[in-house]
Formats: sequence, structure tokens, C-alpha cells
Amino acid sequence: GAVVSQHPSRVICKSGTSVKIECRSLDFQATTMFWYRQFPKQSLMLMATSNEGSKATYEQGVEKDKFLINHASLTLSTLTVTSAHPEDSSFYICSARDTGRTVDSPLHFGNGTRLTVT
Amino acid sequence: GESVGLHLPTLSVQEGDNSIINCAYSNSASDYFIWYKQESGKGPQFIIDIRSNMDKRQGQRVTVLLNKTVKHLSLQIAATQPGDSAVYFCAEGRFGNEKLTFGTGTRLTIIP
Repeated sequence: GAVVSQHPSRVICKSGTSVKIECRSLDFQATTMFWYRQFPKQSLMLMATSNEGSKATYEQGVEKDKFLINHASLTLSTLTVTSAHPEDSSFYICSARDTGRTVDSPLHFGNGTRLTVT
Repeated sequence: GESVGLHLPTLSVQEGDNSIINCAYSNSASDYFIWYKQESGKGPQFIIDIRSNMDKRQGQRVTVLLNKTVKHLSLQIAATQPGDSAVYFCAEGRFGNEKLTFGTGTRLTIIP
């Protein structure tokens, strides 16, 4: 089945530093990938849509200069949390849909990245 | 605003029994719905989906029911097993818009 790989699975960083999270589709191509954030015991909240070869689309209230997204190839999107603060500590999850399948084919999710900012 | 939500935040079921997880949605324009299972520390895993022109769909040990009249979605898991313990999310989407909107989630605990 379709696999989405996310790296790292856990990261601890100091306040003020930046962290990069990678999301790869291993056996399919994805022109669009999605980045979600999930706080403890809460649902997934969409942060932004990553578009291969063009700018990401951010959801309302998400700072594009803080959460930098790059989708340089059909199998890789990266999310960089810049100048991280403790309130950015969360579970970040990426997802992707096989570009070669229909629009209602299911999104495949990575296993998430647990970010802790100290 | 549009939202997808769940009636019960937690559910405990005896192993071997059937479980039903409910979801209410407010966007009548949704074209399809998906149930995801999320285990601790992992990303959501696809379980089953249903298009808005259907009212029932069955998979292996799972059945999804859609009642558009009352905007209600349910996931039935038959003969529950310990491995079914997880948080279950419903999500809704629209054709032409690849984004999914997730509900609040229900934690299902299977009691051995």
C-alpha cells in the first residue's frame, strides 16, 4: 500500500531555533501534500497545503513566515518551524494522496513528528 | 462555520462485542466521508470511506452508515479485538477540494 514517511519522529529543540520536518511519499507521486498539527487529545487541524513547484496555501491563522513549506519534488515536502517557541510543541503530521488516483482516494498519513520546544 | 464532530469522546467495549462510533457533520455539501484510526504516537490510518450518494458500505469487520437527513455518520466494528483500541476520527471532503476536515475523535477502549 501507499506509504508516507515522516522524519524525524521526535525532536527536541531549544526556544528560538528552527526545526525541519520531512515528508516523503515512498511509492507514489504527490503533487499535493498536507500538513496537520495535533495537540494532545485533540483532532487534526490542517495548517497548510503544500503544492509541488509552487507556493503553499496556508489556513487562516497559520503564519506562513513561521511555518515554511517547501515542496521541491513530487515525493518530498518539508515543513520548517522557524524560531520555535514552547507553544509550537505539538504533533505534526503530513499526508498525501496518490496523484495518479481519483480525487476521493484516501489520504495517506505519515507517522507524525513529536516536536518539543524547551 | 462548517464542522464535523462526534457525540461520544470515549467508548469502552468488551472484547468480542460490537462497537458503534458516531459522528455528526454540518456541511451538507460534503461529497465523501472517511473513517480513520489513530493509535498512540502514530498517524491516522484509513479504515473505510463512503460517498454521499451511498447510505451503507461494508468492509472487513467494519460498516459505515450515512444518514444525510440528519447529517450523521457511524462506524460499526464487529467482534472487537484488543487491537481495535485507538482514537477514531471521521473526516469529510469535497470533490475538487483535496482538503479533509476532521472531527474531534472518539477514544475506543476494548476491555479484555
